[in-house]
Amino acid sequence: DAKTTQPPSMDCAEGRAANLPCNHSTISGNEYVYWYRQIHSQGPQYIIHGLKNNETNEMASLIITEDRKSSTLILPHATLRDTAVYYCIVRVNNAGNMLTFGGGTRLMVKP
Amino acid sequence: DSGVTQTPKHLITATGQRVTLRCSPRSGDLSVYWYQQSLDQGLQFLIQYYNGEERAKGNILERFSAQQFPDLHSELNLSSLELGDSALYFCASSASGATDTQYFGPGTRLTVL
Repeated sequence: DAKTTQPPSMDCAEGRAANLPCNHSTISGNEYVYWYRQIHSQGPQYIIHGLKNNETNEMASLIITEDRKSSTLILPHATLRDTAVYYCIVRVNNAGNMLTFGGGTRLMVKP
Repeated sequence: DSGVTQTPKHLITATGQRVTLRCSPRSGDLSVYWYQQSLDQGLQFLIQYYNGEERAKGNILERFSAQQFPDLHSELNLSSLELGDSALYFCASSASGATDTQYFGPGTRLTVL
């Protein structure tokens, strides 16, 4: 699986957009970019995923660069409840496709 | 709520003992994955089952074993427990063994004293 690089921590003001970057320069053509988050010690929560195109759902937007070497997760209006560790994962497209979690980005949303 | 359930929520036991963790996948999901999260190792994949059969193995110790039953629930058995086995154990499920999204349960916190 391609490796990802994320900043270890970020702060964001409540109500502002949180932009979380992820580098995955060795991504291959059939690998998807997935984002999960973990709030305190709860189970990881799926946020969004994409292959090439930008994606949006009720939780967030995912912007993938044209060369697919990096992506940004956008939480449009961060709330205190969005404080969590955010994981960017690149995933191979075959059976036995476990998720390989790195260190993630600890996002602190401040009032 | 992801639809994945895990029991028990907390488990406290002694070294050398054996425990069983249970996971019920989301309705209709055929794949179950087990992950371990300890303080020093982060989230690590242990094992995957698909429709009752083992599909993939990660860093699972020989003292640990798992199975998936005909009703698709899964159990993770941990034996000869050591202090270092204290961790959060998460189960996830997905619809098939391909690139379907994995949804995680709330986890079982195991404390070995």
